[in-house]
Amino acid sequence: NAGVTQTPKFRVLKTGQSMTLLCAQDMNHEYMYWYRQDPGMGLRLIHYSVGEGTTAKGEVPDGYNVSRLKKQNFLLGLESAAPSQTSVYFCASSYSGGLAQYFGPGTRLLVL
Amino acid sequence: QQPVQSPQAVILREGEDAVINCSSSKALYSVHWYRQKHGEAPVFLMILLKGGEQKGHDKISASFNEKKQQSSLYLTASQLSYSGTYFCGTDFAGNQFYFGTGTSLTVIP
Repeated sequence: NAGVTQTPKFRVLKTGQSMTLLCAQDMNHEYMYWYRQDPGMGLRLIHYSVGEGTTAKGEVPDGYNVSRLKKQNFLLGLESAAPSQTSVYFCASSYSGGLAQYFGPGTRLLVL
Repeated sequence: QQPVQSPQAVILREGEDAVINCSSSKALYSVHWYRQKHGEAPVFLMILLKGGEQKGHDKISASFNEKKQQSSLYLTASQLSYSGTYFCGTDFAGNQFYFGTGTSLTVIP
């Protein structure tokens, strides 16, 4: 059981470049979440999914898109990266809404 | 809508107790608690439901007062391993999840 995994672990982008972060879970969880965490701040929800084929906006969705084509995978895309998107990105999953969330190890993204 | 935690930071000596508070301006139906060690991902500690008080692992427990829209996390006889940042969180009975502002806890020998 790998739990929640994230790819890549670290990435450096130039302003305007695009990239996709991959989150995978092997716990058969319905709900998946993408958060960003900035220095000295808590975690803020970017997008989430309540099941395969569904996505919804969180608190800070601008500049990001997501897809959940398979139950076990949740992709986060940045179409045109900006320095303000420099952050640590965490993916999480839960069996259902309101239940414990299990986090991946995070992806550190630096946008120059 | 983000829950507010207090204190922002606390330093303890091993064996001392601490209380971390989580307050919301909006009605709470459940409260989660997580701990995040430096450079690592948050780890789930416990969930409290309306009217419930739950004992977690080690010597960490919590209470939930829905009338006051508050939850408190109690760490007794703190150990070095308790160091980290503690976050409360809630979904306000919806699907969006909001983490609190965080409390940095440092336990020194």
